[in-house]
Amino acid sequence: NAGVTQTPKFQVLKTGQSMTLQCAQDMNHNSMYWYRQDPGMGLRLIYYSASEGTTDKGEVPNGYNVSRLNKREFSLRLESAAPSQTSVYFCASSEAAQGSSPLHFGNGTRLTVT
Amino acid sequence: KNEVEQSPQNLTAQEGEFITINCSYSVGISALHWLQQHPGGGIVSLFMLSSGKKKHGRLIATINIQEKHSSLHITASHPRDSAVYICAATGNQFYFGTGTSLTVIP
Repeated sequence: NAGVTQTPKFQVLKTGQSMTLQCAQDMNHNSMYWYRQDPGMGLRLIYYSASEGTTDKGEVPNGYNVSRLNKREFSLRLESAAPSQTSVYFCASSEAAQGSSPLHFGNGTRLTVT
Repeated sequence: KNEVEQSPQNLTAQEGEFITINCSYSVGISALHWLQQHPGGGIVSLFMLSSGKKKHGRLIATINIQEKHSSLHITASHPRDSAVYICAATGNQFYFGTGTSLTVIP
């Protein structure tokens, strides 16, 4: 029962470097999400994918790109990292579209951009 | 503007105490979710409810749609309940509260 698997767990980048956060779920869920969590703020949606082949911007998409590679995998790419992107990133999935079924979260990626 | 407000922000309790965490929301919703974030960072879904009350073990979640308010109760609290509890209201998207940090002291 892997659920949602997210890699890496920790990453340190220098300003301007790029990286991809990987996420995979084995629950046959249609919807997948990327959130960031910052101190004193609620989880904020970066991008989501309601189904395979579709992606949509969330609340804070600037500086990020996503790929829904197949039904299982949803990756988040930082093309040119900035210190403002220092955060904890969570991938999540749900059986149905936003809000109508429970979210299942990965364990998070703690990213520091120096 | 925060669509979801939680109170209190921080809560310390003695083991065995009855705990209540409150969540108020300002948007129309189809469901209200309660999440638990462990000290190690992982987030798990506790409840999803759209009316009435749900119970799982020592945890009880209630919602009053007319008052746009939900509560999470923990009976006979235990140190392992120490975590951040997050409320999320969902309409066409998730609106997350900032969480209530609970510490239960033995």
